Amino acid sequence: DIQMTQSPASLSASLGETVTIECRASEDIYNGLAWYQQKPGKSPQLLIYNANSLHTGVPSRFSGSGSGTQYSLKINSLQSEDVASYFCQQYYDYPWTFGGGTKLELK
Amino acid sequence: EVQLVESGGGLVKPGSSLKLSCVASGFTFSSYGMHWIRQAPKKGLEWIALIYYDSSNKYYADSVKGRFTISRDNSKNTLYLEMNSLRSEDTAMYYCANEGQWGDYFDYWGQGVMVTVSS
Repeated sequence: DIQMTQSPASLSASLGETVTIECRASEDIYNGLAWYQQKPGKSPQLLIYNANSLHTGVPSRFSGSGSGTQYSLKINSLQSEDVASYFCQQYYDYPWTFGGGTKLELK
Repeated sequence: EVQLVESGGGLVKPGSSLKLSCVASGFTFSSYGMHWIRQAPKKGLEWIALIYYDSSNKYYADSVKGRFTISRDNSKNTLYLEMNSLRSEDTAMYYCANEGQWGDYFDYWGQGVMVTVSS
């Protein structure tokens, strides 16, 4: 199975700040990488697919980048509504696997 | 608007069975593969099953293989997960999700249904 290692596990940032979350795969996943946001008590929502494509309706302050085994999610100009947990997921190979998550809080 | 609504969860004893349903609307259900994903309390996400749009192929995580069965009824826009021989470690929120247009990411998710396995 492909292991997804996400960092940091938790993050505290101020409004307006730029935040970056990293995800490392145990092997090349050829951009088969998605990012999800999960707000407390809610189901996850797709943010990014194919490593860098923004899902419909997702604000442009979110962006994804990376290749090979290293990927990142960047949030520009952090807003209060961005407080959530974020998960990466590889879909290059079965079984589909997730990173352990990053909990983002406001400082 | 895409909507996925799960039902069928509850509190059951170890070794028992449960069948979850997921009713889809707002998209052409019969054209998309569908997934079940679960999340244990305060834990991360675990993909558990996929069924192709036409039921021709099914895939399972090792943790549920042989105990869980995914199925669908395209005439009813409904996805199912039959869970047998339930264990305490199956306690989780269960989500259904449709596959993405460009790959096996999870495009839209339901609100989830809680399954608790406890004596």
